[in-house]
Amino acid sequence: TQLLEQSPQFLSIQEGENLTVYCNSSSVFSSLQWYRQEPGEGPVLLVTVVTGGEVKKLKRLTFQFGDARKDSSLHITAAQPGDTGLYLCAGSNTGKLIFGQGTTLQVKP
Amino acid sequence: DAGVIQSPRHEVTEMGQEVTLRCKPISGHNSLFWYRQTMMRGLELLIYFNNNVPIDDSGMPEDRFSAKMPNASFSTLKIQPSEPRDSAVYFCASSLRGSGRGQNIQYFGAGTRLSVL
Repeated sequence: TQLLEQSPQFLSIQEGENLTVYCNSSSVFSSLQWYRQEPGEGPVLLVTVVTGGEVKKLKRLTFQFGDARKDSSLHITAAQPGDTGLYLCAGSNTGKLIFGQGTTLQVKP
Repeated sequence: DAGVIQSPRHEVTEMGQEVTLRCKPISGHNSLFWYRQTMMRGLELLIYFNNNVPIDDSGMPEDRFSAKMPNASFSTLKIQPSEPRDSAVYFCASSLRGSGRGQNIQYFGAGTRLSVL
């Protein structure tokens, strides 16, 4: 069974701080996606990483795919209250996604 | 495009009743996924369809759950009879499945919040 473990599960920080969320697995994925979910809504795709070692930047968010395509990280620089939400990583292989448990981020003004 | 449309947004029912959740995928998408989200178990894949055909239903909890996709623009998830432990948010997602890596981008509906009393 393929599993994705995210850490930390909960994170509460002050505006302006930096943070990193980790997504780890013992399985290799063909690609890995990061989603953000706000209360009362479905997850929305932030980024897809495909190549081992790949780094993608989305404004203040930096995503990295591990060299062995088993793990990924999301780093947020100078977090803003608008970054508050549930962050989910999802690994893709045979046409379906395996989701991590999620990291709930709260950024306090 | 209106995105993935789910109905109802909220459903409150009593134990033993039949519940039907509905989903309209994004036009042109060929894959449809049903998920269940709870605090304890996170987001779990229940079943997915490719070109209206069920491909993997290994996540369906038990025989009380069934899903159909009669055509490319409509799918249902039915629970009969419902139980309190079925209370969760149920999401439908659709995608245009391609042959390359990184092409399995799923677009989610807003979900149906189900409460079984």
